[in-house]
Amino acid sequence: GAGVSQSPSNKVTEKGKDVELRCDPISGHTALYWYRQSLGQGLEFLIYFQGNSAPDKSGLPSDRFSAERTGGSVSTLTIQRTQQEDSAVYLCASSLVTQGGTLFFGSGTQLSVL
Amino acid sequence: QKEVEQDPGPLSVPEGAIVSLNCTYSNSAFQYFMWYRQYSRKGPELLMYTYSSGNKEDGRFTAQVDKSSKYISLFIRDSQPSDSATYLCAMSHLSGYSTLTFGKGTMLLVSP
Repeated sequence: GAGVSQSPSNKVTEKGKDVELRCDPISGHTALYWYRQSLGQGLEFLIYFQGNSAPDKSGLPSDRFSAERTGGSVSTLTIQRTQQEDSAVYLCASSLVTQGGTLFFGSGTQLSVL
Repeated sequence: QKEVEQDPGPLSVPEGAIVSLNCTYSNSAFQYFMWYRQYSRKGPELLMYTYSSGNKEDGRFTAQVDKSSKYISLFIRDSQPSDSATYLCAMSHLSGYSTLTFGKGTMLLVSP
């Protein structure tokens, strides 16, 4: 597609349930990022994928969070045993590796944990 | 002290005003500086991208970087209601790849 696509756009879940968030990056972009944006907060880096290299998971807040990227394209962010503090907008971005600052963001998934 | 500080606003101005948005940072390793614009319920989009110190102009937008003061600015001339959005500064280290450190964003409201 023309831009970064994220699904679902909204997700409401109960505390303790697992959720999966999907990101489809721009075709040809080798770098993929997940960020989290909470109300009144800036973007918090979660995880970074670059080609076939091991992902940079340094931003994942706990072991309940995991992500994978299949075939160098689509990525899934999984949150297990969701907590209320996980409520936020989860943003995915992609970029060409040579333009590290030029991130193209999707519209995000608004996650609400009740 | 946070790595990147940005006044959250909101900043309210009348149409046609010159707007100044600013960020300060503490990490002298930052070399790349960006401004992103984020409309409500949308992802951020890149507005300006600069490397090291200096000015860069693009239409009504001017980005300014002063590394000696660890201070960056975005100026918007002849502001329009369509400029109403949250503006996030972002910066990164000089490395093979880098993740961005974002400010919290400043909400700008331009009234007709």
